[in-house]
Amino acid sequence: GQNIDQPTEMTATEGAIVQINCTYQTSGFNGLFWYQQHAGEAPTFLSYNVLDGLEEKGRFSSFLSRSKGYSYLLLKELQMKDSASYLCAVPNPFSGGYNKLIFGAGTRLAVHP
Amino acid sequence: ETGVTQTPRHLVMGMTNKKSLKCEQHLGHNAMYWYKQSAKKPLELMFVYSLEERVENNSVPSRFSPECPNSSHLFLHLHTLQPEDSALYLCASSQGRGQETQYFGPGTRLLVL
Repeated sequence: GQNIDQPTEMTATEGAIVQINCTYQTSGFNGLFWYQQHAGEAPTFLSYNVLDGLEEKGRFSSFLSRSKGYSYLLLKELQMKDSASYLCAVPNPFSGGYNKLIFGAGTRLAVHP
Repeated sequence: ETGVTQTPRHLVMGMTNKKSLKCEQHLGHNAMYWYKQSAKKPLELMFVYSLEERVENNSVPSRFSPECPNSSHLFLHLHTLQPEDSALYLCASSQGRGQETQYFGPGTRLLVL
């Protein structure tokens, strides 16, 4: 089976750095996705990691350790607009020619002035 | 603008009504997905269509009936729903070649009275 865990809520201060963790258990592994979702809006793609290590994309970075079943999303220089839910997701490796994503419950991040 | 649109954005219906949700993607993708998002729960995959053929039905009650007339359009027909079906219904699409990024629509916020 597959299981994904991430903290329910986090708070941080504008301008600070925050790390959102995700641990997963899967019977196979085909990478890990991070999505951002503002309240009442569509989830939007942030990153996809399939190899170990850190991938940086502007203020956002994503890290993966396959041996530990662990990923984190690092947000730097936080802005108020970063207040959103952050969803961790892994594909079911047996789903063939489409992407059957298994999502975590999401981490709701509140950024305060 | 992610290239995936959904209508209506909000819907209130009684338990005896019949309504339909519509999704359209302008990305040339071959796979389309319906998800249900309830408060404080992970996104739940409901149905997947690949090249207009239904390839996943995640034990969804028959009061939800999907339809995919072509690779750009996806419908979710609703009838005799229950109050616990109130949720955000999200449509997504992907290229349909495996573990690629899914692009989400803004969702339909459904309230069943």
